[in-house]
Amino acid sequence: AQSVTQLDSHVSVSEGTPVLLRCNYSSSYSPSLFWYVQHPNKGLQLLLKYTSAATLVKGINGFEAEFKKSETSFHLTKPSAHMSDAAEYFCVVSDRSNDMRFGAGTRLTVKP
Amino acid sequence: GAVVSQHPSRVICKSGTSVKIECRSLDFQATTMFWYRQFPKKSLMLMATSNEGSKATYEQGVEKDKFLINHASLTLSTLTVTSAHPEDSSFYICSARQGIRNTEAFFGQGTRLTVV
Repeated sequence: AQSVTQLDSHVSVSEGTPVLLRCNYSSSYSPSLFWYVQHPNKGLQLLLKYTSAATLVKGINGFEAEFKKSETSFHLTKPSAHMSDAAEYFCVVSDRSNDMRFGAGTRLTVKP
Repeated sequence: GAVVSQHPSRVICKSGTSVKIECRSLDFQATTMFWYRQFPKKSLMLMATSNEGSKATYEQGVEKDKFLINHASLTLSTLTVTSAHPEDSSFYICSARQGIRNTEAFFGQGTRLTVV
């Protein structure tokens, strides 16, 4: 069965500095991978997705992620953090089974 | 993006009673719907996957007789928590997907269930 591991439960950065949220996946098939964001008391919003096209995926709000098959990784990055980026981020995997499974989540804190 | 409506957003029920949560895709046909449970400050735990017109596939450890899932149409899925107990109190989230694995899923706003 497929799964994802988010390597950091909490990441703290200063406003204006780069963001790196790490995700490794496990799948027997070519997976589709997603990053979702959950702001407090709000629903889940899709940031970006990888579906076997370009390995570098650009999403909303300046986020991007690179699919690296050799490293089974799909890390999320942003060049410059904004205060509004503070939220919970989830890496999600879907493969031939059609399930969508969530990682444990990474809480991003942005300091002024 | 597409909209998934989940109702109710909050519900309080007494132990032993049943509660039904609805999940509707408002502007697309959802071939697959997912039900998740989220504990405080935790991730979403997949409970079951349902495809329209067929029985739901439950994750290991999820009691299908307790958490009844019905996906009777392409726009509606329901989760019924039967004979609720306080330990069933949680945040339940549904999501809906129009295509197969490479399409995104859209999420409802969630339902906060409190069993007293």
